[in-house]
Amino acid sequence: DAGVIQSPRHEVTEMGQEVTLRCKPISGHNSLFWYRQTMMRGLELLIYFNNNVPIDDSGMPEDRFSAKMPNASFSTLKIQPSEPRDSAVYFCASSLRLTGGNEQFFGPGTRLTVL
Amino acid sequence: QQPVQSPQAVILREGEDAVINCSSSKALYSVHWYRQKHGEAPVFLMILLKGGEQKGHEKISASFNEKKQQSSLYLTASQLSYSGTYFCGTELNNQGGKLIFGQGTELSVKP
Repeated sequence: DAGVIQSPRHEVTEMGQEVTLRCKPISGHNSLFWYRQTMMRGLELLIYFNNNVPIDDSGMPEDRFSAKMPNASFSTLKIQPSEPRDSAVYFCASSLRLTGGNEQFFGPGTRLTVL
Repeated sequence: QQPVQSPQAVILREGEDAVINCSSSKALYSVHWYRQKHGEAPVFLMILLKGGEQKGHEKISASFNEKKQQSSLYLTASQLSYSGTYFCGTELNNQGGKLIFGQGTELSVKP
């Protein structure tokens, strides 16, 4: 079975440009998570969805960041405009949430560099 | 709210044992353990839900104390493949699977 799919795997852009990261969760999973990882801040949860509905976006750094999940098989994380401090690895993860304490499966990540 | 992991880094020789700790100031709903190799995504190891629980197999196991504020990951007779960064992710309550990760423990196993 295919795991979580993310695209692009690498993105290099210039400050001020719009960046869109994409994620396809594992089929049948009902929860989706967006994380950001940097050396300074570690692995941070940005936002998560249950059944395509955003539940908690308190980790989104600022209004330049937005995330959508139009259906159960696709999600996007958009940064507009991008800044050098947004450079990081962005992971998408999915899980099948039943009663709680469910394993999250991580995608390979998108390495974003903003010049 | 971020859990505290210790040690920050550890170097082992093959065959040696290690313990990685994860502590929270509040009682937790669950603790998740992940391992991440350089340049790769985190990979799930195990979840602990119950106070006093111990889980895993002979080589890699974990415990969750009765108060549900501390978990430990035990790596026994380490192998080269155990090298990587270990993260604990904590759930404060049963609401959607929101995890807060510790800063990680970098484990290096040398021949």
